[in-house]
Parts: sequence; structure tokens; C-alpha cells
Amino acid sequence: GQSLEQPSEVTAVEGAIVQINCTYQTSGFYGLSWYQQHDGGAPTFLSYNALDGLEETGRFSSFLSRSDSYGYLLLQELQMKDSASYFCAVNRDQNFVFGPGTRLSVLP
Amino acid sequence: ETGVTQSPTHLIKTRGQQVTLRCSSQSGHNTVSWYQQALGQGPQFIFQYYREEENGRGNFPPRFSGLQFPNYSSELNVNALELDDSALYLCASAGSGPEDSGANVLTFGAGSRLTVL
Repeated sequence: GQSLEQPSEVTAVEGAIVQINCTYQTSGFYGLSWYQQHDGGAPTFLSYNALDGLEETGRFSSFLSRSDSYGYLLLQELQMKDSASYFCAVNRDQNFVFGPGTRLSVLP
Repeated sequence: ETGVTQSPTHLIKTRGQQVTLRCSSQSGHNTVSWYQQALGQGPQFIFQYYREEENGRGNFPPRFSGLQFPNYSSELNVNALELDDSALYLCASAGSGPEDSGANVLTFGAGSRLTVL
């Protein structure tokens, strides 16, 4: 089976940097994804790591280490609009298994 | 290009009833999947359709069923509703198949929020 763990809540101030970790137990997968979901909204794609290492997309970066069964999402120069829930997910074929989500609160 | 659209946005049913939820996938996407998201939790995979065939299913009972149509739109049907079926039901579409890197990116609709009383 597959299971993922994330911290339930993270709080940071505007302009800061925050890292959201994701650990997983799985029998094999194609890649690790990150999705953002604002309250009442749809999950939206942020990043996908098929290979180990760091992927950078603007203020957001994502990292994967398969040997450590670990990944993280790094958010830089935090803005108030970044307050949302963040989900990591692993996929085999197009069956995505999502983590429980981390609720990020950005304070002024 | 249009995104993923779902209907209805909200609905209320009573225990034992049946419900049909609808989804129009993003233009160019021929894979559609359905997820159930309970309040405060991550989306849980229900099943996936590719070229009108179910080709993956999560840990959901047979009373959860679906269809995909030739235009790649899709339906989720839930029979014999239970109180625990109350959740946000999300439809997601993805690219052209396993060989397409876009297949690893899900585009979600805004969801249908189902309340079972």
C-alpha cells in the first residue's frame, strides 16, 4: 500500500521561507506532486518531481529523495495569498495517492 | 481552452437515495478520474477512466460507479447513499496517456459538495 505523512499545520510570516515535508511508504511510484487548495476551491498543480533533486518554479521549489522516502515543498517570499492547504501526492499510472494535507497560515 | 467543469456544485440527498455527478474534462484530455475529499482530508482516489474504460479503482465499494462518454465527459454515480458519503467530489482530467508527461498533472474541477442527511 501507499501512505504519506505531512505536518497538519504550519504558520509563518509574510516574506519568510517555509518548508513543508512529506514522507511516504510506498511500493513504487512514478513521481511526487504538490497541489495547493484554497478553502472552497479546487486543488491546483504546483510541481512534479519524477527524478530525485530540486525543481524550481518561481517562488516555489520541490525536492525528492527516493532513497530517503522524502520530499518537500519550499515556499519563498511568502505572501498572504499563499495561505492554503498543500498536499503531496505520489502516482503510479494515473492513480494519485494524496497526503492528508498541511494547512499553511501566513501572518502579516 | 476551458478547464474542468462539474455539476451540480452543491446538492443535498437523504440516506438510501442515488446521486449522479457530472464532469466535463479539459479540452485535449482523455483521462478522467474522480476523487472523494472529506472535510480536512486529502482527496481519495475513487476510479479513473481512459478512452471510456475504467482502468483503475481505489478502495470504494461497487455502489460507486462511473461512465466516460465519447467526448471524454464523465459521470459518477453513487447508489444507496450513506451518511459517510457526505464529501466534496472532485473530478480531474489529465493528458493523453501514460507516455505523455501531461499525464502526471491533474487538472481539477471545483467539485460537487454532497450532503447526505
